[in-house]
Amino acid sequence: EAQVTQNPRYLITVTGKKLTVTCSQNMNHEYMSWYRQDPGLGLRQIYYSMNVEVTDKGDVPEGYKVSRKEKRNFPLILESPSPNQTSLYFCASSPPPGQGTDTQYFGPGTRLTVL
Amino acid sequence: GDSVTQMEGPVTLSEEAFLTINCTYTATGYPSLFWYVQYPGEGLQLLLKATKADDKGSNKGFEATYRKETTSFHLEKGSVQVSDSAVYFCALSDRDTGGFKTIFGAGTRLFVKA
Repeated sequence: EAQVTQNPRYLITVTGKKLTVTCSQNMNHEYMSWYRQDPGLGLRQIYYSMNVEVTDKGDVPEGYKVSRKEKRNFPLILESPSPNQTSLYFCASSPPPGQGTDTQYFGPGTRLTVL
Repeated sequence: GDSVTQMEGPVTLSEEAFLTINCTYTATGYPSLFWYVQYPGEGLQLLLKATKADDKGSNKGFEATYRKETTSFHLEKGSVQVSDSAVYFCALSDRDTGGFKTIFGAGTRLFVKA
């Protein structure tokens, strides 16, 4: 089944404790992206990657890191989480140019609480 | 910069009522426009899209027409069902960036009562 998976689905942590949220897709998509969803603000893009070893900042990158060492994986790293990073996080992927690049396929979400 | 504005919710309707969720956008280029739907506890799914002016996207009884003159992409459905209860997001994708940059509206929550 074609899908985007994220782990963990739920995470409660404390300020300053490094964490990684994994994202994996099995559709051979080149483009992947991370969003956070907050009430009244919709989805805001954190980082995106157009291919392996190619990443760029979205609208709200502060406090986050990403890496893209393999095409299928795009982990989101919070080196020193803070309470304002409490949010619902979504990973998404898109097909290559010419195959519907502008349509995104979303993972199920990771609900993160930072105490 | 580009932006998307959609009507605030929640919207509460009775089953079989007509639905309209308004969406307007600002963009410097020629974006593609989307409606995504988020069911409780799930990620977003593409509902429909339109890639150029006057295009109509449709799916599952939902429709939206790309209106360049009014910069709008309003979502409509003639007869809603309880199963349509979800959050609906209007979005645009900037073709100048190869479609990689997507801007989402704040979302509109729809409740449909039996």
